[in-house]
Amino acid sequence: DGGITQSPKYLFRKEGQNVTLSCEQNLNHDAMYWYRQDPGQGLRLIYYSQIVNDFQKGDIAEGYSVSREKKESFPLTVTSAQKNPTAFYLCASSTRDRLNTEAFFGQGTRLTVV
Amino acid sequence: AQRVTQPEKLLSVFKGAPVELKCNYSYSGSPELFWYVQYSRQRLQLLLRHISRESIKGFTADLNKGETSFHLKKPFAQEEDSAMYYCAFQYSGGGADGLTFGKGTHLIIQP
Repeated sequence: DGGITQSPKYLFRKEGQNVTLSCEQNLNHDAMYWYRQDPGQGLRLIYYSQIVNDFQKGDIAEGYSVSREKKESFPLTVTSAQKNPTAFYLCASSTRDRLNTEAFFGQGTRLTVV
Repeated sequence: AQRVTQPEKLLSVFKGAPVELKCNYSYSGSPELFWYVQYSRQRLQLLLRHISRESIKGFTADLNKGETSFHLKKPFAQEEDSAMYYCAFQYSGGGADGLTFGKGTHLIIQP
């Protein structure tokens, strides 16, 4: 069953703690992305990676970190430096083929800071 | 800088009426533009892309470089079209720099 999987679906974190969101894909896609979705804000790009062992900051990278040690995996860590971490987080992947740049999205992780 | 603008947060039309969801972009080059849709309790998914010039589920969108617009249209709305619609932009020229999304329009089709 091919696709992109995010876990967990819901995550609660205490203030001051780091937390890591998982994203795995078996679509053999080179590129992976993390977005944050807030009501009325649309999707904002946090980080993206075009290839293993390489990643770039998006528009709102502060307070977040990522790694890309394997093609299939692109975990996102929300650090204690992120001032407003409660949000819905979406992971996506795509090929790097210009003629076929459809992005496939996971089901999302809802993070709540308590 | 806001590269994609969707001016309507909410659009409500009656079943059978025409639908137009507006999208404007700010970029002087040749962009790649997409419409993504998120139905209730489903994943965000691609609806159509300008490069394909296709009609999906009765929806079409034409890139108008003069007006820098990529409005999504459907002549006769159906109840199952109710969803969140996002216009998305990507720089042309290949690579995978990530899509930039508009803030979305919530389309409600009333019976």
